[in-house]
Amino acid sequence: DTEVTQTPKHLVMGMTNKKSLKCEQHMGHRAMYWYKQKAKKPPELMFVYSYEKLSINESVPSRFSPECPNSSLLNLHLHALQPEDSALYLCASSQDWDRGNETQYFGPGTRLLVL
Amino acid sequence: GDSVTQMEGPVTLSEEAFLTINCTYTATGYPSLFWYVQYPGEGLQLLLKATKADDKGSNKGFEATYRKETTSFHLEKGSVQVSDSAVYFCALKVKAAGNKLTFGGGTRVLVKP
Repeated sequence: DTEVTQTPKHLVMGMTNKKSLKCEQHMGHRAMYWYKQKAKKPPELMFVYSYEKLSINESVPSRFSPECPNSSLLNLHLHALQPEDSALYLCASSQDWDRGNETQYFGPGTRLLVL
Repeated sequence: GDSVTQMEGPVTLSEEAFLTINCTYTATGYPSLFWYVQYPGEGLQLLLKATKADDKGSNKGFEATYRKETTSFHLEKGSVQVSDSAVYFCALKVKAAGNKLTFGGGTRVLVKP
């Protein structure tokens, strides 16, 4: 089973709202990722967690707050977003972070619209 | 830095035609190479990968060979179907560069019946 699940599938929020995106994997992977994908563009890395610790923050604004409560779960907390944050948010996981040939498995994404 | 260049789309083909999507790369170290596919409204799925020179990745009728001498990883399929309509991303990963995936810009493929 190489499944990464994400909820919700779609989310509409106002600029003053607080919401959270959820990602889950049961493959025993120790690295989890958040990506942002704008229309007709490749995904852009936002955060990397390795063994439940934040390893990479790609200079993401503080209105995005990641959390890894355990090795299977990854959340992305959203607060005071801007309309330009509207995008597809993808979660991914891999066995490890340190090995160069690790395959990343992606979830179906959450399509976010900020009004 | 690392980069991946793909041919720009859209690529429009008839069913059963031969598909080639060119991908070339520059890398600071020895990369692993990947092709991901994104069907409309979905996330990315790994299509195939190759981790060393001359390796051939293959899956679902798609193939790509890691060519170190030409720094290329072109994707091919001998006979496409309408269900192959999607966006295809070439990507690389170099441990020395922090193990981050570097994606190409994506190539949209449209297969008509």
